[in-house]
Amino acid sequence: EPEVTQTPSHQVTQMGQEVILRCVPISNHLYFYWYRQILGQKVEFLVSFYNNEISEKSEIFDDQFSVERPDGSNFTLKIRSTKLEDSAMYFCASSELDTSYNEQFFGPGTRLTVL
Amino acid sequence: GENVEQHPSTLSVQEGDSAVIKCTYSDSASNYFPWYKQELGKGPQLIIDIRSNVGEKKDQRIAVTLNKTAKHFSLHITETQPEDSAVYFCAASGNTPLVFGKGTRLSVIA
Repeated sequence: EPEVTQTPSHQVTQMGQEVILRCVPISNHLYFYWYRQILGQKVEFLVSFYNNEISEKSEIFDDQFSVERPDGSNFTLKIRSTKLEDSAMYFCASSELDTSYNEQFFGPGTRLTVL
Repeated sequence: GENVEQHPSTLSVQEGDSAVIKCTYSDSASNYFPWYKQELGKGPQLIIDIRSNVGEKKDQRIAVTLNKTAKHFSLHITETQPEDSAVYFCAASGNTPLVFGKGTRLSVIA
């Protein structure tokens, strides 16, 4: 069964450093998303991406965040200058074209720890 | 914007009993209501969803009901098994980003 994959599974970084989280969405999906889940809290939407541009972003997704689809398979989330409060699980998700925000399939997540 | 409330936050049931988790939403434009199961260390997994043109949907031991008038939707798990133990999230969307509830930690006691 096709699935969303994410690397690395765990990333530890120093405050102020840049990190790039990587995702490979399901191959025939065209909408891509990043979500964040701070430990013990709800899953929060960060950004959606379609046709090589951001469709929608939340208040959390400020100027330190960026997304990119550098090739036909990868979808990345970059955090330019990490803060302690960026420590969280980051989930990538994807969905098919005709359901846009519906029926999203999530990856296993990357646990980001900022020291 | 949409706000989703989920209850209870924790739920313990005996194996074989039923479990019910309830959610309310605020935006009448929401028309898609998925439920996700999250096991320890894993991402949310879609287990069932319902759209606003349907009042109930069933898939084996799992069912979801939707009351659009009251803006309520519920997850029902019958004949619970230890492997049902996980955190369950409801969510709502109206062709907008998914808004999640805070989750329910379900423990099925053998």
